[in-house]
Amino acid sequence: AIQMTQSPSSLSASVGDRVTITCRASQGIRNDLGWYQQKPGKAPKLLIYAASSLQSGVPSRFSGSGSGTDFTLTISSLQPEDFATYYCLQDYNYPRTFGGGTKVEIK
Amino acid sequence: EVQLVESGGGLVKPGGSLRLSCAASGFTFSSYSMNWVRQAPGKGLEWVSSISSSSSYIYYADSVKGRFTISRDNAKNSLYLQMNSLRAEDTAVYYCARDEGVVPAALDYWGQGTLVTVSS
Repeated sequence: AIQMTQSPSSLSASVGDRVTITCRASQGIRNDLGWYQQKPGKAPKLLIYAASSLQSGVPSRFSGSGSGTDFTLTISSLQPEDFATYYCLQDYNYPRTFGGGTKVEIK
Repeated sequence: EVQLVESGGGLVKPGGSLRLSCAASGFTFSSYSMNWVRQAPGKGLEWVSSISSSSSYIYYADSVKGRFTISRDNAKNSLYLQMNSLRAEDTAVYYCARDEGVVPAALDYWGQGTLVTVSS
């Protein structure tokens, strides 16, 4: 199974900060990667698909980049509603695998 | 409006069985692949299983292979997960999620989840 290594596992940031989260695949996965946001007690929400495409309705401060093995989710200016846990997901092949998650907390 | 509503969770003893359901509405269910994803308490997300629109293709995580069975009834707009030989480590919130279907890694709609607790 493809391993997805996400870093950092947690970070503290302030409103307005630029935040970067990375995901590394154990083998090349083209651009078959998505990013999800999850708030406590809620279902995950799709932010980015195909590594860099913004899901409809998601604010433009979210962006994704990368291809192959290294991927990045960037929040250009952190907003109060962005404090949450973020996960990457690969579906290059089965079994699909999620990264371990990155919890973004208020500094 | 797309809606996915899971049901069937609850408390079950180790070795027991449970059947989860996911009722879909607001879209043409028979056109989409579907998934089960779970989350153990305080842990991350784990993909469990996927089924294609016509049930031709089915996939499982190694952790549930041979114990869980995914199925669907397109006439009833419903997705199922039959869980047998349950273990304590299967304790989790189980979500059903729709595959967008055209673009990669896009589980675009999720249910609210149903909690399964495996304990004696």
